Amino acid sequence: KNQVEQSPQSLIILEGKNCTLQCNYTVSPFSNLRWYKQDTGRGPVSLTIMTFSENTKSNGRYTATLDADTKQSSLHITASQLSDSASYICVVSAMDSSYKLIFGSGTRLLVRP
Amino acid sequence: SQTIHQWPATLVQPVGSPLSLECTVEGTSNPNLYWYRQAAGRGLQLLFYSVGIGQISSEVPQNLSASRPQDRQFILSSKKLLLSDSGFYLCAWSLGGFPYNSPLHFGNGTRLTVT
Repeated sequence: KNQVEQSPQSLIILEGKNCTLQCNYTVSPFSNLRWYKQDTGRGPVSLTIMTFSENTKSNGRYTATLDADTKQSSLHITASQLSDSASYICVVSAMDSSYKLIFGSGTRLLVRP
Repeated sequence: SQTIHQWPATLVQPVGSPLSLECTVEGTSNPNLYWYRQAAGRGLQLLFYSVGIGQISSEVPQNLSASRPQDRQFILSSKKLLLSDSGFYLCAWSLGGFPYNSPLHFGNGTRLTVT
C-alpha cells in the first residue's frame, strides 16, 4: 500500500535554531517527492520537488534531501524564524498515477521567540 | 503570473442544504484542476480532478460532485450536505499533461462547517 509517514507529528523550537523533519514513504514506482509549507487556514505552498536522481535541493533556508534507496527524505530548516511556524507536508507522486499524490499528515512546527 | 481564486473562505451550512464552491485560475491555459479535502491531523484527500473542460474524474464515492464548465473554472457541489462533509476544501491547479514534475498550486481553501 502506498503510504507517506512523517515525523515528528509536532515540534517546538526556539527562534534561530535549526531543525530537521523526516519523511518515509513506501510509494512505488516512485516519480517525485515534494515538500509543502502550509500556514494555518491557508493552502499549501510548494517548497521543493525532487526526482529520484536528485538527492538534495535548497530553497532559501530550506534544504530537502532524498535517499531513494531507503525511501527517506528530510527537510532541514536553518536559522528558524517565527514565520516558519506552519505545517510541513511531504507528498510523493507515483509514476503510474501522477494525478494521485500521496500526502503525509504533516509535521506541525512552532517557532518560539 | 498565474493566480488561483477560491471562494468563499468560510461557510456554515445546515444539513441537507446545497453546496457550491467555486475556483478559478488565471494566467494559464488548459490546467489540470483538483479538489482536495483536508481533515484535521490527516493528509489531503483527492476528491476530483479534471484534465479538460467537461472531463471529471472522481476519486472518492460521496454525495459531492464536480464540474468544469470553462477551461479555468472548477466547481464543487452537493445537493444535500451531510455532517461528515465538514472540512477544509482546497482547489489546486498544475500544468496540463502528466504532472510528473509540475507542482500543485493551491488556493487558500474554504472552511465548511455543516451544522
